[in-house]
Amino acid sequence: DQQVKQNSPSLSVQEGRISILNCDYTNSMFDYFLWYKKYPAEGPTFLISISSIKDKNEDGRFTVFLNKSAKHLSLHIVPSQPGDSAVYFCAASAYPFNKFYFGSGTKLNVKP
Amino acid sequence: DTGVSQDPRHKITKRGQNVTFRCDPISEHNRLYWYRQTLGQGPEFLTYFQNEAQLEKSRLLSDRFSAERPKGSFSTLEIQRTEQGDSAMYLCASSRDGANTGELFFGEGSRLTVL
Repeated sequence: DQQVKQNSPSLSVQEGRISILNCDYTNSMFDYFLWYKKYPAEGPTFLISISSIKDKNEDGRFTVFLNKSAKHLSLHIVPSQPGDSAVYFCAASAYPFNKFYFGSGTKLNVKP
Repeated sequence: DTGVSQDPRHKITKRGQNVTFRCDPISEHNRLYWYRQTLGQGPEFLTYFQNEAQLEKSRLLSDRFSAERPKGSFSTLEIQRTEQGDSAMYLCASSRDGANTGELFFGEGSRLTVL
């Protein structure tokens, strides 16, 4: 049961431009959403999160937007840097957060 | 290093053998999760411990899989009678109750290859 979907397996952007990664979910009970970044041969690392009571959360170059009616969230990276090149996973959960569902990931390539 | 550590990092085994993976979470973290990841896919939930109690277990987890977390510290994941389909990266993650519950800290994973 694929409750979290990332439909773009890859994305390529030029350094300095905006990267927009998208994620859709099906379970309306989800109330907590996260983005993780993963480099090769490493475990995923937490990037940014948002609860369902908000529609935007910003942390430096990273902003996550949540559209509950569309069951859609997106991650914006501005400006994109070559070091941002990695696989990005979105994840979702419902209280009490005993289980997190992950998308299949989007591989971002930021070209110098 | 105070991160999540997993051992072994790589395991190659023959079909039918048993394997065990160990995870040492961050010391103050009471929540511990096991995930499995195959190529091109995101992490897939296997099981969740709160302290020593196993509170959640995936329906996908067959009876060949068992996990423990004695004393609420380290955890082990055992796979009995391994099959080729068990080949994957097994990820452990930990977190703690509070405002940042969802910020899972992952280990580097244990890669299993079943021949």
